[in-house]
Amino acid sequence: NAGVMQNPRHLVRRRGQEARLRCSPMKGHSHVYWYRQLPEEGLKFMVYLQKENIIDESGMPKERFSAEFPKEGPSILRIQQVVRGDSAAYFCASSPPGGSGYTFGSGTRLTVV
Amino acid sequence: GESVGLHLPTLSVQEGDNSIINCAYSNSASDYFIWYKQESGKGPQFIIDIRSNMDKRQGQRVTVLLNKTVKHLSLQIAATQPGDSAVYFCAENGDSSYKLIFGSGTRLLVRP
Repeated sequence: NAGVMQNPRHLVRRRGQEARLRCSPMKGHSHVYWYRQLPEEGLKFMVYLQKENIIDESGMPKERFSAEFPKEGPSILRIQQVVRGDSAAYFCASSPPGGSGYTFGSGTRLTVV
Repeated sequence: GESVGLHLPTLSVQEGDNSIINCAYSNSASDYFIWYKQESGKGPQFIIDIRSNMDKRQGQRVTVLLNKTVKHLSLQIAATQPGDSAVYFCAENGDSSYKLIFGSGTRLLVRP
């Protein structure tokens, strides 16, 4: 019973490139959440998705960031035209319906050079 | 390994001693609280949770205490072991049923 799977574990992008982060939820979980962790800070909520629906994107920067959770396949967090300030650890979590029982993945560490 | 934060508050304890990690939460509407453990290079790992209708909850070697009057949460770890060394975060749900608000974290170092 695999947990929340995130890939890649580490991603290096040059400024201006696109970053795509993937998250496969736990089996049986239909709700996905993305959080960002900057150095020396706790995790900050970005977006909450269900299959084919964005439920709450109040934590997403207004530009360059987007997220999706298609009917088939993993959830994708996409960052266009990355800047150095996007360097962070991005964590995905999933839960069954109801929102409780979060399980976090191991994260993707994005470094923008 | 990766450092989650170089300037996090740090608690250093002797192996075998008890540890107490404190957290002040921010939102009076919060009714659900969780403690997470984060080891270097890994995601947050659930330790224990508590709802606001309780003051205390115990798990295996861990106890969470909730003081709603002063909006304070604490995590007690009994007989601290080297494997307990990590950064510990408290989280609250605010006025949401699904969104978590994380505290800034405390690094626990266990001296052998």
